[in-house]
Amino acid sequence: GENVEQHPSTLSVQEGDSAVIKCTYSDSASNYFPWYKQELGKRPQLIIDIRSNVGEKKDQRIAVTLNKTAKHFSLHITETQPEDSAVYFCAASRRGGADGLTFGKGTHLIIQP
Amino acid sequence: DVKVTQSSRYLVKRTGEKVFLECVQDMDHENMFWYRQDPGLGLRLIYFSYDVKMKEKGDIPEGYSVSREKKERFSLILESASTNQTSMYLCASSLAGQDYEQYFGPGTRLTVT
Repeated sequence: GENVEQHPSTLSVQEGDSAVIKCTYSDSASNYFPWYKQELGKRPQLIIDIRSNVGEKKDQRIAVTLNKTAKHFSLHITETQPEDSAVYFCAASRRGGADGLTFGKGTHLIIQP
Repeated sequence: DVKVTQSSRYLVKRTGEKVFLECVQDMDHENMFWYRQDPGLGLRLIYFSYDVKMKEKGDIPEGYSVSREKKERFSLILESASTNQTSMYLCASSLAGQDYEQYFGPGTRLTVT
């Protein structure tokens, strides 16, 4: 089955700096890579996703890159703000959101004022 | 607006009890999923369902079963609860097809004593 590794487990950055979280996956048939943000006590919410026919996708301060050859994908957050503090999870699946997702273990992002 | 609800936010049960966790979605989604979330382990897929009366095992189905008698409702059953099933349980749903995201419920924190 699929295995998703996520690094780092904790990331502390100064407000206004950039943050990068990296994931690798093992199943070459995976073609959907979502990122979820989970604030303390709240449900995970999708913030951005990418499919295997695309190398990069941006949404305002958030971007995701995908390298299918190396089987890794990354989340980039620029100009970080206090409200970006949360746990971020990467995931992978073979059939988009219609399939069970395999998640990484999560990254606790801390934005220092 | 998609709404996924779970019957309880907090639940305390004794070892050996039969436990039912309920999930309801109001957007006519075909797919429904149960995950458990543990600190440092991320989210792990227990069971999922593509349609009424259909079920598929996820990565960690041991000790659990599921029921989907109606399209909007997906139940997770712990036949004989054990202390290692103390966890946060998250339900999710999505439309059929690969183009749609999974939406999560608020979670049920289950403690087995």
